[in-house]
Amino acid sequence: AQSVTQLDSQVPVFEEAPVELRCNYSSSVSVYLFWYVQYPNQGLQLLLKYLSGSTLVESINGFEAEFNKSQTSFHLRKPSVHISDTAEYFCAVSEPQAGANNLFFGTGTRLTVIP
Amino acid sequence: NAGVMQNPRHLVRRRGQEARLRCSPMKGHSHVYWYRQLPEEGLKFMVYLQKENIIDESGMPKERFSAEFPKEGPSILRIQQVVRGDSAAYFCASSPRPGQPGEDTQYFGPGTRLTVL
Repeated sequence: AQSVTQLDSQVPVFEEAPVELRCNYSSSVSVYLFWYVQYPNQGLQLLLKYLSGSTLVESINGFEAEFNKSQTSFHLRKPSVHISDTAEYFCAVSEPQAGANNLFFGTGTRLTVIP
Repeated sequence: NAGVMQNPRHLVRRRGQEARLRCSPMKGHSHVYWYRQLPEEGLKFMVYLQKENIIDESGMPKERFSAEFPKEGPSILRIQQVVRGDSAAYFCASSPRPGQPGEDTQYFGPGTRLTVL
């Protein structure tokens, strides 16, 4: 069965410090991987995705994630965080080759950027 | 640039009442997904629909919950005889149909926060 693990439920970090939010998944088939961000009382916004090709993907606001097939991970990183990055971050996986279009989500990581 | 629209944004119901949640997909999208987010948890898949057809309802509770996506109008998630445990945020997402550009990505609406008193 598909599962997504985000081990860190809360990550406090000082402004301008680097951050890594961890995501591991389990699947026996090829997957697509996504990171979504949720600001308070809002819906989810797509941050970045991996479908195929280069294992390093980037977002427009400085985040990047690297797909590591051997470690079944898709960790999210940013070299220098800003106050506005404070939000909940969700890792999600789909299994298109298994015919499953729905997303499996992790439980989320709450990133708090401290001034 | 209208994204996925959901209404109402907030809904309060008493136990035993019915809740109807609406979702209008992005323009050009023909597939809709419903997810539920319980407090302090991630999103859980409920149902996947295209117009006039339920494709996958493996995440739907067996009783009281139903979903439709008619030929005209928004997708509706209906919860009958609500109970306190139904209190959650319900998110809708949409995507183009398979074979169309962007089919692999789901775009989410702002959610409906249901509170059952």
